[in-house]
Amino acid sequence: DAGVIQSPRHEVTEMGQEVTLRCKPISGHNSLFWYRQTMMRGLELLIYFNNNVPIDDSGMPEDRFSAKMPNASFSTLKIQPSEPRDSAVYFCASTLTGTGWPREKLFFGSGTQLSVL
Amino acid sequence: ELKVEQNPLFLSMQEEKNYTIYCNYSTTSDRLYWYRQDPGKSLESLFVLLSNGAVKQEGRLMASLDTKARLSTLHITAAVHDLSATYFCAVVLRGTGANNLFFGTGTRLTVIP
Repeated sequence: DAGVIQSPRHEVTEMGQEVTLRCKPISGHNSLFWYRQTMMRGLELLIYFNNNVPIDDSGMPEDRFSAKMPNASFSTLKIQPSEPRDSAVYFCASTLTGTGWPREKLFFGSGTQLSVL
Repeated sequence: ELKVEQNPLFLSMQEEKNYTIYCNYSTTSDRLYWYRQDPGKSLESLFVLLSNGAVKQEGRLMASLDTKARLSTLHITAAVHDLSATYFCAVVLRGTGANNLFFGTGTRLTVIP
């Protein structure tokens, strides 16, 4: 099992540019989460998909942020236009929900370090 | 919203010493997780605690849960350098699912030889 795969690992861009982060969840998992980690705010949930459908996007900070999950094996988080305050590590995580508590352990990807200059 | 507080935020300890990290949360929960994060790396699940009085141990780490006190502890026994990392507790709001997982601020542990 390759685990949750994120790309790119590092992204440096200029303010105003569009940024797309990608995630491939673990095969068979039906729930996918996008988190943002900063020193000031810690880990924050941005959006949660279940069976490819966005269930809870209340954590998405602004309309500049959007996320899609076109199929069970791929999700994107897009920021357009990007701003310096978006600089953070963005994690994708997946799990299998609905099968009992012990299995609802989140498996995290390696994260994307985003720097917006 | 569920608030999760950890203390200490930073912990520097010598090898072979024992110490405890505390995790307090504000409302009723039925699941608590401990995660480890190495610098520049992802989060790795260590323990899942599901009931009052639950205790899990692996190696030099032992986690416990007191749901009445809304408190979990992560005890480190005879610390070694390899345990240096940031440790997070995370709590699920009772009756909800993984989308209501709230993370603590993290405790950055440094084990000094």
